[in-house]
Formats: sequence, structure tokens, C-alpha cells
Amino acid sequence: GAGVSQSPRYKVAKRGQDVALRCDPISGHVSLFWYQQALGQGPEFLTYFQNEAQLDKSGLPSDRFFAERPEGSVSTLKIQRTQQEDSAVYLCASSLDPTREQYFGPGTRLTVT
Amino acid sequence: GESVGLHLPTLSVQEGDNSIINCAYSNSASDYFIWYKQESGKGPQFIIDIRSNMDKRQGQRVTVLLNKTVKHLSLQIAATQPGDSAVYFCAENGSGGSYIPTFGRGTSLIVHP
Repeated sequence: GAGVSQSPRYKVAKRGQDVALRCDPISGHVSLFWYQQALGQGPEFLTYFQNEAQLDKSGLPSDRFFAERPEGSVSTLKIQRTQQEDSAVYLCASSLDPTREQYFGPGTRLTVT
Repeated sequence: GESVGLHLPTLSVQEGDNSIINCAYSNSASDYFIWYKQESGKGPQFIIDIRSNMDKRQGQRVTVLLNKTVKHLSLQIAATQPGDSAVYFCAENGSGGSYIPTFGRGTSLIVHP
């Protein structure tokens, strides 16, 4: 079956613009995670959903970051008024169970100019 | 092995050699550990996992060793192939079924033909 997909794969935004990043998890996976990965670093947790419920958003760096998963499948990470420090790869991962291995998408590389 | 710093630790090996990638974790209460492989431009890919009630687990060409006494994890890759070239991350989940993995910095494995 299909893995986790993300779109767009690349996004260039001018500082101050809003962006929306999409994640399509593996069908049937109830758990969905968003991560931010800076160059040369490991992924850093942003937020976690179980079905449509956002159970943890402790990793979101500011109130400019917002995530949703309204129907418990596709998720969108939105960043308002982008700043240069938001430039990173944003990874989405899904799993059958939150305590088990996660399956990652290819990521969206965001560049804020 | 894993380290905190500006440069990604690098391990260079010859094709056919065995590789050992090390990771020190921080939370003595962590009970689940995962190794991921990340190729350039792709998301992390699950390789193997181990729970804290084990000290060794084997997969296809890979073995993970866990030493809880010194909070150390290692990934052994047998007969390393050029396709194994990637960045390898260890990740730990906290205790009590915590679902937020903490990733290490990563080790870059370079396999020379």
C-alpha cells in the first residue's frame, strides 16, 4: 500500500506569508505526528494527533504554528507570518499505535526568504 | 557515534565490512528505542526497534544492542553495502508509554565501494 505522502515537497515563501503543508498518512493509522528537522539535526517533535484529537502540541515553537486533522486522516500544518527561522524540513509520520514505530513521509522543505 | 555538536559524526567503511553506530540516550526511564535510516531528500525509515526488557535484537543484517546500565544503544550492520550509506538516528520513547520520541543528532555512514 501507499506510504505517507506530503505536499508540496518544496515551498518557498517570502517572509510574512502564510503557508499550509499537507500530510496524507497511511490508511488506518490513528496516530499522526509532525516534526521539524533542521539541517544536520534529528527531527524535533511539534505535535501529535490521535484520530482527530490533537493530544499534544507542546513542540509547536510559537502561536504562528497551527495543525489540524479534522476527519482523523489528512492533516495540515499551517504557519502564519513565516519567519526565516521557520526554514526547515517538516516531516509527517503516522503509526498504528503511538508507542510503536512511525512511518515517515518524504517531508516538505520550506525556505523562507 | 552520536554527539552534540555542529558537525554530524561520520563513519566511513569499506563495502563488505561490518559497521557499528553508537548512541547514548539520556532518559534512564525510556523503555522503547528505535533506529531510523534517513537517505538524502527522504524521510527517516524504520530499521529496527528494541524494548527495555531486552538487550539484543536481530533483524536482517542488523543487530541492535541495548546497555541500560550505561544508557547506550548500538546498531550493527553486517556486510555493509553502498546502499546503506545514509544518516542513522536513534530515538528513545519515554517511560509509561510516552509517545514523543526524542531523536539523537544522527551519524552519517559512508560506504566506499
